[in-house]
Amino acid sequence: DVKVTQSSRYLVKRTGEKVFLECVQDMDHENMFWYRQDPGLGLRLIYFSYDVKMKEKGDIPEGYSVSREKKERFSLILESASTNQTSMYLCAVPSTGTGANVLTFGAGSRLTVL
Amino acid sequence: GENVEQHPSTLSVQEGDSAVIKCTYSDSASNYFPWYKQELGKRPQLIIDIRSNVGEKKDQRIAVTLNKTAKHFSLHITETQPEDSAVYFCAASDFGNEKLTFGTGTRLTIIP
Repeated sequence: DVKVTQSSRYLVKRTGEKVFLECVQDMDHENMFWYRQDPGLGLRLIYFSYDVKMKEKGDIPEGYSVSREKKERFSLILESASTNQTSMYLCAVPSTGTGANVLTFGAGSRLTVL
Repeated sequence: GENVEQHPSTLSVQEGDSAVIKCTYSDSASNYFPWYKQELGKRPQLIIDIRSNVGEKKDQRIAVTLNKTAKHFSLHITETQPEDSAVYFCAASDFGNEKLTFGTGTRLTIIP
């Protein structure tokens, strides 16, 4: 199974700061996803990437951008963090060999914006 | 795009009883419906899934049913145990398209 690593588990940032959230996979999979998790709202797709330098907006892309310079790494960028971006961010990668749609999630990055 | 609604948002069940969580979807092109379980402090993990060419699938104490005509699918957990306490998410997609649309989640609490 693919291993998905999110390097930052907890971050506290100030309004207006630029924030980078990184996600690394070890299986060379084309597709990678960033979801945001909020109580009562479930998991909402922010952006996804289907190959190096290729990206597509999800359902809630406003206020976010992404970068995929290497296949194993997918970064979520908050250009100017705001308090309403306080949330849990989950990276996901399809699990190779178990069905195309089965997602393996990272441990999550809990971001607090003050 | 796809919209998935999930009910109830919270559910408390006596240990040993059954629990049912229901979801509806909007896009008739969706044909893959997984369920994820997220225990406290952990990442979501797939517990069962169903494709639209079958109406029901079982795996020990859990089962999923699908009604394509009504565009709804349900998770059934029988003989509930304390370790079933978690948040459960349903999702939908077009199989082959790895982008999942998730429901809003159900917090299931098993009362000992």
